Amino acid sequence: AQTVTQSQPEMSVQEAETVTLSCTYDTSESDYYLFWYKQPPSRQMILVIRQEAYKQQNATENRFSVNFQKAAKSFSLKISDSQLGDAAMYFCAYRRLGSQGNLIFGKGTKLSVKP
Amino acid sequence: DAMVIQNPRYQVTQFGKPVTLSCSQTLNHNVMYWYQQKSSQAPKLLFHYYDKDFNNEADTPDNFQSRRPNTSFCFLDIRSPGLGDAAMYLCATSRDGTSGTPGGPDTQYFGPGTRLTVL
Repeated sequence: AQTVTQSQPEMSVQEAETVTLSCTYDTSESDYYLFWYKQPPSRQMILVIRQEAYKQQNATENRFSVNFQKAAKSFSLKISDSQLGDAAMYFCAYRRLGSQGNLIFGKGTKLSVKP
Repeated sequence: DAMVIQNPRYQVTQFGKPVTLSCSQTLNHNVMYWYQQKSSQAPKLLFHYYDKDFNNEADTPDNFQSRRPNTSFCFLDIRSPGLGDAAMYLCATSRDGTSGTPGGPDTQYFGPGTRLTVL
């Protein structure tokens, strides 16, 4: 069975600095999707970034980028120029390619941003 | 804007009193999901509809049921809520099997959730 591990329950970053959230996963599949979702306090869960496993190039979305290491089964999220609005719970998630099934979530990392 | 809408945002019910949560979407997505999320935990999938086909997770209690009368709407019915069912319930949608979708196929889009309190 696939599993997703986020080893950092909480992280803190100074405003305008860079922070990296770690995520590892376990799967025997060769093709799959990986996601980072952001869930601010009492607010909606939104997609931050998505990576297809068959793509070697790391995904980027403005200040958000990933370091996808397929052999190591690692999928970390880097947030550059951190802003107060980045404070949230961040979930790493895995999904098999083409599956009807569920996202497999990690337990989340709570990110605080200090002004 | 196309979106996933959940009503109500907050629901209070009594122990054992049936309750229904609703989800609607304007994304025309063919897959709809219901998740349960307890405080400081990751969302846990309860079930999903792939078009009209219902897919229940093995560990979802019988107390939880769902209906999808059409593409746009999906309901979560809790027949006899217990104190342990107090949680945030998240609806999500995806457009599986279609390339070119913003965010890509298989990306799930979440609603704002309904927070259920059981007294």
